[in-house]
Amino acid sequence: AQSVTQPDIHITVSEGASLELRCNYSYGATPYLFWYVQSPGQGLQLLLKYFSGDTLVQGIKGFEAEFKRSQSSFNLRKPSVHWSDAAEYFCAVGSAGETSYDKVIFGPGTSLSVIP
Amino acid sequence: NAGVTQTPKFRILKIGQSMTLQCTQDMNHNYMYWYRQDPGMGLKLIYYSVGAGITDKGEVPNGYNVSRSTTEDFPLRLELAAPSQTSVYFCASSGTVYEQYFGPGTRLTVT
Repeated sequence: AQSVTQPDIHITVSEGASLELRCNYSYGATPYLFWYVQSPGQGLQLLLKYFSGDTLVQGIKGFEAEFKRSQSSFNLRKPSVHWSDAAEYFCAVGSAGETSYDKVIFGPGTSLSVIP
Repeated sequence: NAGVTQTPKFRILKIGQSMTLQCTQDMNHNYMYWYRQDPGMGLKLIYYSVGAGITDKGEVPNGYNVSRSTTEDFPLRLELAAPSQTSVYFCASSGTVYEQYFGPGTRLTVT
């Protein structure tokens, strides 16, 4: 069965420091991969997505992610974190299911705190 | 465009009561979804719809019902509320299956 793991439940970084959030997936074929961000009290917003092609994808708010098939990973990075980046981050994988519905499976999330 | 709107934002129910969570989207999306979010568990799909008149169960449908009479609206009905249904509920929509747009959520407490 398809699954998504995010090994880090909570991460704290200093403002201006670099950030990497880890995501690993389990899926038999080439997955569709996503990162969403959830600010406190808000719904989820799509940061970036990978469908095919260049394995390094750029997203909004200065984020990027790299797909590594050999490691089944899709880690999210940002070179310099801002205080406004404090939020919950969800990795997700899109899978072609056995039914007519191609569903998205979300990881458990990583909570990011930013120290001024 | 308002995107995806949900009402109410907060609700407290007593055990055994019923209620409907409203969801409306103005993007003319065919796909709509209901998720629940519990701490440390990510999002779990309750029900989804691929178009008006077509709905199907997700991972955790027990205790819930949905209908989709129009493209815009996708209400979620809770019958006989139980404490296990205390959660944050998100509605989402997408024009393609994968790029989902989320509403702000409804925080429900059942006591």
